[in-house]
Amino acid sequence: AAGVIQSPRHLIKEKRETATLKCYPIPRHDTVYWYQQGPGQDPQFLISFYEKMQSDKGSIPDRFSAQQFSDYHSELNMSSLELGDSALYFCASSLNVLGSTEAFFGQGTRLTVV
Amino acid sequence: QQQVKQSPQSLIVQKGGIPIINCAYENTAFDYFPWYQQFPGKGPALLIAIRPDVSEKKEGRFTISFNKSAKQFSLHIMDSQPGDSATYFCAARVSTGTASKLTFGTGTRLQVTL
Repeated sequence: AAGVIQSPRHLIKEKRETATLKCYPIPRHDTVYWYQQGPGQDPQFLISFYEKMQSDKGSIPDRFSAQQFSDYHSELNMSSLELGDSALYFCASSLNVLGSTEAFFGQGTRLTVV
Repeated sequence: QQQVKQSPQSLIVQKGGIPIINCAYENTAFDYFPWYQQFPGKGPALLIAIRPDVSEKKEGRFTISFNKSAKQFSLHIMDSQPGDSATYFCAARVSTGTASKLTFGTGTRLQVTL
C-alpha cells in the first residue's frame, strides 16, 4: 500500500539558508499535517491543511511557511535557518471524512543546520 | 504546558512481561486517542486507537484501557518481545470541523530484554 512520502530524507543546510521539505500524502487523503521532532522529544504540531486550505496552526515560527497544492502534496518552506531548527520533520496525512480517524506518518526529513 | 502527560519516561521489562504505559489529559474536547510506535530514525506508526465511548480495545498483544471519568488511558503490551523495543507515544485529537490536530505525549522508551 502507498504510504506518505517525504523528500528529501536528509538535508544539511547552513545557518541563515533556506530549506524546502516536500510531502506527498497517501492517494485520496485530503489532509496533511506537519510535525517537528527534536532529539528525544515528542512530535510538535506545526501546521495542517485540508483541501489546500490551512486548517490549523501550531507552534510554527514566522520564518516557516507551508502550503498544499492542487495535487494535495505539501511543502514546508523554512527560511533564515537557525541551529535550533535541526530536527526530524514529519508529514502525516489523513482522509477527513466521518468515521475516518487515522493519521499516517511519513519517514521524515532529518534537517541538520550547521 | 503539556496537554497530554505520559509516564513513565522509560521502561525496561523482560521478555514475556507486560509493560504498561499511562497517559492523562485535561481537555475534554479530545475525541480520539491513538498510540504510536516509533523506531529510531523512523516515523511514528499507528499501533492502536480508541474513542472515549469505549473502555477497552484489544488488537493482538496490544490493549488500550480508557477511563473517561479520570481522563486517563493506558497501553498494555502482552507477552512483550525484544522487537517491541521502541518509543511509544500516546496522542489525543481534537476535531473541529475540517481541522483536526494530534497532540502527543512525551513518549516512553521501552526496552524489552531477553
